[in-house]
Amino acid sequence: DQQVKQNSPSLSVQEGRISILNCDYTNSMFDYFLWYKKYPAEGPTFLISISSIKDKNEDGRFTVFLNKSAKHLSLHIVPSQPGDSAVYFCAASGRGYGKLTFGQGTILTVHP
Amino acid sequence: SAVISQKPSRDICQRGTSLTIQCQVDSQVTMMFWYRQQPGQSLTLIATANQGSEATYESGFVIDKFPISRPNLTFSTLTVSNMSPEDSSIYLCSVDDGHSEQYFGPGTRLTVT
Repeated sequence: DQQVKQNSPSLSVQEGRISILNCDYTNSMFDYFLWYKKYPAEGPTFLISISSIKDKNEDGRFTVFLNKSAKHLSLHIVPSQPGDSAVYFCAASGRGYGKLTFGQGTILTVHP
Repeated sequence: SAVISQKPSRDICQRGTSLTIQCQVDSQVTMMFWYRQQPGQSLTLIATANQGSEATYESGFVIDKFPISRPNLTFSTLTVSNMSPEDSSIYLCSVDDGHSEQYFGPGTRLTVT
């Protein structure tokens, strides 16, 4: 039972345009959501997070949106840069419990 | 955020042998975790490494196969025992910063032949 799903295995975007990465979850006990970026041969790097009490969180070029009723979150990257090319994972946890449940990941390629 | 190092960074091992992976953090942390990423798959939590007590394992993972030590608040080890090719994965340790965000080490790439 996959509780966190990233249905798009890959996304290709032109430099300067917006990248939108999507994530769906099924467990209503999740109340904290995170996005990680992963380059080959490196560990995941934390990008941005959002609590279930919010519907939006921004950090520079990165914005995460949360739609609790739809159990859906998305990561927007504006403007996209070639250095953003990596695998992006969304993850979820229940408050007070450290376990992260990860999605399958989306390979983002930003073309110059 | 904490700086996390892992040793070894990669290894090639023969089936039936064991490998111990070390995770070192530059500050004291309460919660440390071990994850596995099999080829083409997502990250899966193996266990939570508890300081001073036995690790808490997730469904599908057992102590005999993945013994874990946590002797203090900055260090943990994961052993992959009696390895088979199916154990070929990237093994990652992570720490919780106390605010529900986890930071990961660089990973150990294990190949079992």
